[in-house]
Amino acid sequence: EVQLVESGGGLVQPGGSLRLSCVVSGFTFTTAWMTWVRQAPGKGLEWVANMDPSGNTKYYVDSVKGRFIISRDNAKNSFYLQMNNLTAEDTAVYYCATPSRWLLYWGQGALVTVSS
Amino acid sequence: DVVLTQSPLSLPVTLGQPASISCRSSQSLVHSDGNTYLHWFQQRPGQAPRRLFSKVSNRDSGVPDRFSGSGSGTDFTLKISRVEAEDVGVYYCMQGTHWPLDTFGQGTKLEIK
Repeated sequence: EVQLVESGGGLVQPGGSLRLSCVVSGFTFTTAWMTWVRQAPGKGLEWVANMDPSGNTKYYVDSVKGRFIISRDNAKNSFYLQMNNLTAEDTAVYYCATPSRWLLYWGQGALVTVSS
Repeated sequence: DVVLTQSPLSLPVTLGQPASISCRSSQSLVHSDGNTYLHWFQQRPGQAPRRLFSKVSNRDSGVPDRFSGSGSGTDFTLKISRVEAEDVGVYYCMQGTHWPLDTFGQGTKLEIK
């Protein structure tokens, strides 16, 4: 059974940082393109970033470029989203999903709230 | 950038009646490899999204056959032949043709009238 489990969400002040983790199982992580998608409260889905299996190729939506960094540890079957200089507009549920382009499998989501 | 426009954004439907959701793209979604990477997702209240169809009309495992996907080029449609209570939620189209920059439609909220 494929599983994706996000963690690391929480409340952070504007300008702060937070790191989300996504631990996966049930498929070959080392060959999987991975994706982060977010959903602001009461809003639609927004693609955030994609990463290739090696971790060398990354793509970001314009609104997070220069602030968010995706990474992975293939030895730990883990995918990460480092979020810096957070603003209220980054408040959302963050989902990891795979494979990129197809998004068949999703985690349950991690809530990030940016507020003072 | 590719923009996906869904309509309607709100869809009240009587149980047992059909429903139809449109997704229109600002650019053709036919990839140079000949495939059309337009997918449909369902998000029930309080749940993560679930994919229903890949590449326009390929139904995912466990999706009831009352759901169907169709379309080509820039115009796509998700249809439900007879709406059931469990179909309540928000439906999204998503394009992967212009990957790795994926795009979602705004979502269509289906509710029971």
